[in-house]
Amino acid sequence: QKEVEQNSGPLSVPEGAIASLNCTYSDRVSQSFFWYRQYSGKSPELIMSIYSNGDKEDGRFTAQLNKASQYVSLLIRDSQPSDSATYLCAVGDDKIIFGKGTRLHILP
Amino acid sequence: DADVTQTPRNRITKTGKRIMLECSQTKGHDRMYWYRQDPGLGLRLIYYSFDVKDINKGEISDGYSVSRQAQAKFSLSLESAIPNQTALYFCATSDLSAGELFFGEGSRLTVL
Repeated sequence: QKEVEQNSGPLSVPEGAIASLNCTYSDRVSQSFFWYRQYSGKSPELIMSIYSNGDKEDGRFTAQLNKASQYVSLLIRDSQPSDSATYLCAVGDDKIIFGKGTRLHILP
Repeated sequence: DADVTQTPRNRITKTGKRIMLECSQTKGHDRMYWYRQDPGLGLRLIYYSFDVKDINKGEISDGYSVSRQAQAKFSLSLESAIPNQTALYFCATSDLSAGELFFGEGSRLTVL
């Protein structure tokens, strides 16, 4: 059974600081890794996808992947109150498995 | 109109009743997924399909069945609903392997 693990939080970060979200996974075969954001009462939406080892940056967001350690992370720079949400890590090429999500609170 | 439409959006039913949740999409995607979400448990995969003839079990398929009536339609059925199937159900689509999932707005099911 494939597993994706995340700290459930809540993670509280001051406005303007860097938020760091982490995820570990069990399936060494998967080549595809995703971070989704879900606001309360809404559907998940894709923030970042990453497929190779290293860093991938998109605006204030950076995804980091380390396949040897089976670890993927998401950094949010200059955190804003609008970043307060649940962040879901997802792993898989065809059968896409989600972690339980980390609740992030940005403190004004 | 939404690209991925789920019906009904809310449903309250009783234990033992048969329930069908429907998903239709206008995105032209081949891949369709059903997930359930419970507080604190993230999204758990129930079934997924890559075309009309390709249906696959997910993490928690027991107690559920699906039907892929057409490329654009993927239905989830609970043959005999039980209270622990009370959850928020999401349909999602994708157009290729390792691609982004596009979610519907969710169907909230309550089984009394």
